[in-house]
Order: sequence, then C-alpha cells, then structure tokens
Amino acid sequence: DQQVKQNSPSLSVQEGRISILNCDYTNSMFDYFLWYKKYPAEGPTFLISISSIKDKNEDGRFTVFLNKSAKHLSLHIVPSQPGDSAVYFCAASAYTGNQFYFGTGTSLTVIP
Amino acid sequence: ETGVTQSPTHLIKTRGQQVTLRCSSQSGHNTVSWYQQALGQGPQFIFQYYREEENGRGNFPPRFSGLQFPNYSSELNVNALELDDSALYLCASSLSIANYGYTFGSGTRLTVV
Repeated sequence: DQQVKQNSPSLSVQEGRISILNCDYTNSMFDYFLWYKKYPAEGPTFLISISSIKDKNEDGRFTVFLNKSAKHLSLHIVPSQPGDSAVYFCAASAYTGNQFYFGTGTSLTVIP
Repeated sequence: ETGVTQSPTHLIKTRGQQVTLRCSSQSGHNTVSWYQQALGQGPQFIFQYYREEENGRGNFPPRFSGLQFPNYSSELNVNALELDDSALYLCASSLSIANYGYTFGSGTRLTVV
C-alpha cells in the first residue's frame, strides 16, 4: 500500500529552465513533508520541508508547494542546474508517528 | 561533525544466514532509524531507536532486530536471510525523536544469494 506516490519515474529539463517534481499522498493524517535528493552511492540528503500549516516554503532555488485538499505537493527548482541531476524522493510523516513514508523517486536530468 | 557512517558498504550472504549491519550516528544524535530500499523503490521504515529503546517499527518480521548502544551507534540484525532481503539498508540519525532533520548514511548494499 503505497501512501506516497511519485508517478513520474524520470524528468529531463534544460539548464536554466524550471524543474517541477510532483508527489501525491493518500493519508490525510500526514502533516509534515520533506524532499530528499540522492546521488548514486550516497545516502539521501535533506533538501526542503513543509508542514501542513503552510502551503509554500522557499529556500533559494527550491520551493515546495502543498495543496492539502488535493493531497499533492510539488518541488520547483528554478533555475535548474546540471548539479541538480539526481533522484528526488518526497516523504511524509504524521505528527503522531515516527516514520517517514517515501515515494519511489523521480530521476531528474538537467541537460547543459 | 562526521556525519552518519555505515559498515560494511557491500555484503554478500547466502540464504538462511544471519547478518549484522552497523551504523555510527552523527555526533549528538540520539535517535536512529533504519530503512530498507529495494531496487526501484523508495526507502521503507524498518524501526527507530531512541536512547537505546525501540520507538516504533514498520511492517517487517521479527527476524529484523536492532540495537542502539550508549554511544548511540546502532546495529541492524537480520536472521534467516531470504532472497527478498537483498536491498540497500539505510541508517538515519537525528538530534531527537521530535527533530525531523534526519541525516542519512550512504547505506549498506546487501545481496542474498
């Protein structure tokens, strides 16, 4: 039972353009969401988070949007850079829980 | 600050054997979680330890067990290995159970043959 879904396994974007990575979830108890970036042979690295009391959080080139009614979040990267090429995982947690539920990841390729 | 280190990086075991994976948490982190990442999947929560006690468990059988030591390093033990246990095992530590700033290690790649 996949509670967090990333329906796009891969995405290619030209350098300088916007990358939009999407994530859907099914559990209405989820109230904290994170994005992780993973390079080959490395562990996931925390990128940005958002709690359910917000609908947007920004950190430099990275912005996460949360639409609670649609149970959808997205990560925007502007402008995209070749170093952003990695697998991106979204993860969700419930306030009362202690585990994160991860999506299956989206492999982003930024073409120079 | 040395980050989270895991050992070994790669391991090959035979079905039915037992394995122990090790994790050294980031300095000052008293909470550690273990995740299993199968090929093409996202990480799946195995369990969490906080101050040497198990603090939650995912949908994994009892042959997956763990330990956390006073220095907050930890171990993941898997008994009676099955072929489906082949995966990347990730350890993640955080400052406390209320802190979601998890730092992940690079993982141990386990292959069961």
